[in-house]
Amino acid sequence: AQSVTQPDIHITVSEGASLELRCNYSYGATPYLFWYVQSPGQGLQLLLKYFSGDTLVQGIKGFEAEFKRSQSSFNLRKPSVHWSDAAEYFCAVGASGGYQKVTFGTGTKLQVIP
Amino acid sequence: EAQVTQNPRYLITVTGKKLTVTCSQNMNHEYMSWYRQDPGLGLRQIYYSMNVEVTDKGDVPEGYKVSRKEKRNFPLILESPSPNQTSLYFCASSPQPGLGGNIQYFGAGTRLSVL
Repeated sequence: AQSVTQPDIHITVSEGASLELRCNYSYGATPYLFWYVQSPGQGLQLLLKYFSGDTLVQGIKGFEAEFKRSQSSFNLRKPSVHWSDAAEYFCAVGASGGYQKVTFGTGTKLQVIP
Repeated sequence: EAQVTQNPRYLITVTGKKLTVTCSQNMNHEYMSWYRQDPGLGLRQIYYSMNVEVTDKGDVPEGYKVSRKEKRNFPLILESPSPNQTSLYFCASSPQPGLGGNIQYFGAGTRLSVL
């Protein structure tokens, strides 16, 4: 069965500092990997996805993520955080070849301080 | 505007009183899904539908029903709600693979309280 672990429940960073959110997955084959962001009171919005090819993927709002098969990781990064990035971030893994099963992590809540 | 619309956004009800949360998408997506979000548990899939008249259980289907009679609509039905179904619910839709893959588009959520 597929699973996702986001080890950090809550992270606080200063505005302008760099950010890395961790995600580890478990899946037997090549997974589909996603990062979603949820702003307060909102639904989830896709930041970026990895299906195949280049292991460094670029997303919206200046985010990027790197797929590392050897470490079963898909960490999200941003070089300089803005106050508007404060939100909850979810990593998700989907079954390759189909889309019926997507498993989400428990989320990391990001706080940005001035 | 492409969107997934859930109604109502907020709902307070009492134990045992049947309720329906509607979900509609205007993107002609085949796939639709319901999730519940609880603190510390992330999003858990309740039911999903691959197309009209095709539905299947997700990770936490107990106490819920769904139907998919039309492509655009995927209502979530709680026949006899209980307090442990108090949660934030999200509907999502997705096109077929190759036309966006597994990217899901989410509604704004329905916050349900069962007293």
